Amino acid sequence: DGGITQSPKYLFRKEGQNVTLSCEQNLNHDAMYWYRQDPGQGLRLIYYSQIVNDFQKGDIAEGYSVSREKKESFPLTVTSAQKNPTAFYLCASSQQGARTEAFFGQGTRLTVV
Amino acid sequence: GENVEQHPSTLSVQEGDSAVIKCTYSDSASNYFPWYKQELGKGPQLIIDIRSNVGEKKDQRIAVTLNKTAKHFSLHITETQPEDSAVYFCAASKGGGTSYGKLTFGQGTILTVHP
Repeated sequence: DGGITQSPKYLFRKEGQNVTLSCEQNLNHDAMYWYRQDPGQGLRLIYYSQIVNDFQKGDIAEGYSVSREKKESFPLTVTSAQKNPTAFYLCASSQQGARTEAFFGQGTRLTVV
Repeated sequence: GENVEQHPSTLSVQEGDSAVIKCTYSDSASNYFPWYKQELGKGPQLIIDIRSNVGEKKDQRIAVTLNKTAKHFSLHITETQPEDSAVYFCAASKGGGTSYGKLTFGQGTILTVHP
């Protein structure tokens, strides 16, 4: 079954700690994305990567970092510099071709305690 | 950058009625407009999309219309069913290559279909 897997589904973090969210895809897509969703709001782009070993900042990159060492993996680290990290985080991927839509994972809900 | 406005924020209809959600965008270079449905605690799922070279697209009970001149696009759901209840998001992208996932989203519409 092809798709995007995000883990864990729920994550609790103490203030001042870094935490890494996992995103893996087996769709053979070149591009991957991280979005943040806050209650009652639309999704906002954090970082994206169009190819391995390359990534760009999105609209709200401050306090986040990413890596893209493998095509299928795009982990997101929420650092202690992120002032308001509690949110629902969504990973997506897309590919040029017949089906160009972005496919989303099921999300990770991060709560700072 | 791109800005997408979506209305209404909540929409309540009776089963069998139609539902219409409207979005406007600001960047005339945007050329790809998907609509996503999100159920509680899950990731968004594409329900229909339209490219700027097309004015209308239909898929069974769902249709999308695009007016490039006015920079607005709309989602139409006919014969609504309770299982259509969810949050709906419009989005815009400049598309091209691997950029179809680089989306600017509207704020979302909570659709409730009453049996």
